[in-house]
Amino acid sequence: DVKVTQSSRYLVKRTGEKVFLECVQDMDHENMFWYRQDPGLGLRLIYFSYDVKMKEKGDIPEGYSVSREKKERFSLILESASTNQTSMYLCASSYGARRTEAFFGQGTRLTVV
Amino acid sequence: AQSVTQLDSQVPVFEEAPVELRCNYSSSVSVYLFWYVQYPNQGLQLLLKYLSGSTLVESINGFEAEFNKSQTSFHLRKPSVHISDTAEYFCAVSDGSYIPTFGRGTSLIVHP
Repeated sequence: DVKVTQSSRYLVKRTGEKVFLECVQDMDHENMFWYRQDPGLGLRLIYFSYDVKMKEKGDIPEGYSVSREKKERFSLILESASTNQTSMYLCASSYGARRTEAFFGQGTRLTVV
Repeated sequence: AQSVTQLDSQVPVFEEAPVELRCNYSSSVSVYLFWYVQYPNQGLQLLLKYLSGSTLVESINGFEAEFNKSQTSFHLRKPSVHISDTAEYFCAVSDGSYIPTFGRGTSLIVHP
């Protein structure tokens, strides 16, 4: 079974802190994604990576950055956390073909106080 | 750009009743279609997918969805729901991009 593992299920951080969310997949997938999920808004794409060191902005990249130094790991960085970044963050991965489904991690519920 | 519309944000039903969750997409080109389910405090799991061939696809837990190209729809149905089907359901579409487009989700609430 494909496994996508997010490092934390729950996080509480203070405003202004630099926050790292880590995601690891074990199936050699080319594509990796970071989404945030908010009630009534569904899933919104923050960043996407289709290869090591490659990244593309999604719909809401402001206030976030990403890092992909190894194929299996995709990190989301909140440069200076703010309360409006309180949300559920979902990592996903997929093979490099458009007909394949995405596999999701369990999610990280981040609260910024 | 591709868009996915899930018209119903919430669908309440009684146990053992039939249910339909609606999904419409905007693209008229060749598409791949997916339904995902999210149980409380979990990530999304694939429920079923349409890639090609038969327009009716089924999942192992009794859900089915029908691809209708002329109506650009991919509605999800189950003839008899259980309490355990209570969850958020997301429709997603992939066309020429590696990035799937998701709908906003439909919350299925099954009452005893």
